[in-house]
Amino acid sequence: EAQVTQNPRYLITVTGKKLTVTCSQNMNHEYMSWYRQDPGLGLRQIYYSMNVEVTDKGDVPEGYKVSRKEKRNFPLILESPSPNQTSLYFCASRVANTGELFFGEGSRLTVL
Amino acid sequence: LAKTTQPISMDSYEGQEVNITCSHNNIATNDYITWYQQFPSQGPRFIIQGYKTKVTNEVASLFIPADRKSSTLSLPRVSLSDTAVYYCLVGDITMDSNYQLIWGAGTKLIIKP
Repeated sequence: EAQVTQNPRYLITVTGKKLTVTCSQNMNHEYMSWYRQDPGLGLRQIYYSMNVEVTDKGDVPEGYKVSRKEKRNFPLILESPSPNQTSLYFCASRVANTGELFFGEGSRLTVL
Repeated sequence: LAKTTQPISMDSYEGQEVNITCSHNNIATNDYITWYQQFPSQGPRFIIQGYKTKVTNEVASLFIPADRKSSTLSLPRVSLSDTAVYYCLVGDITMDSNYQLIWGAGTKLIIKP
């Protein structure tokens, strides 16, 4: 089954404790991206990757890092999480330039 | 950079046709316009995609004028389960020639019995 898998789905952590949210897709998609979604603010792109070893900043990249060493994986790294990074995070992938994005189920992160 | 504008919210009744319009200037000339549906605490789900004129699938129609500065998602005969947030998505080329996806802010559609 074609899917985008995120882990963990839920996480409560404390300020400053590094964490990684993994994202994996099994559709051989070139494009992958991370979004955060906060009440009243819609989807805001954090980082995206057009292909392996190619990453670019989205609208709200501060406080986040990504890497794209393999086509299927696109982890989101919070080196020193802060409470303002409490949010619902979505990973998505697509074949380049087709427009149809496939989303993961979301990761709800709380930073205390 | 392209900018998208959608109504914040809309109400309708079961059995009615609902049209949601997204305005989007300066979008990439060779990219599609796509609409997504999102239920609470779930990832957005693809509804329909088009380049120009009209596209229809089993759940919706998409109308795109020749200038591609807007698009209208049409949901025929809505039901209570169509209550969700609807997003338009377009592509753009940035000043440094990078391709970027631009999301609308979303339209919260509430269907009443």
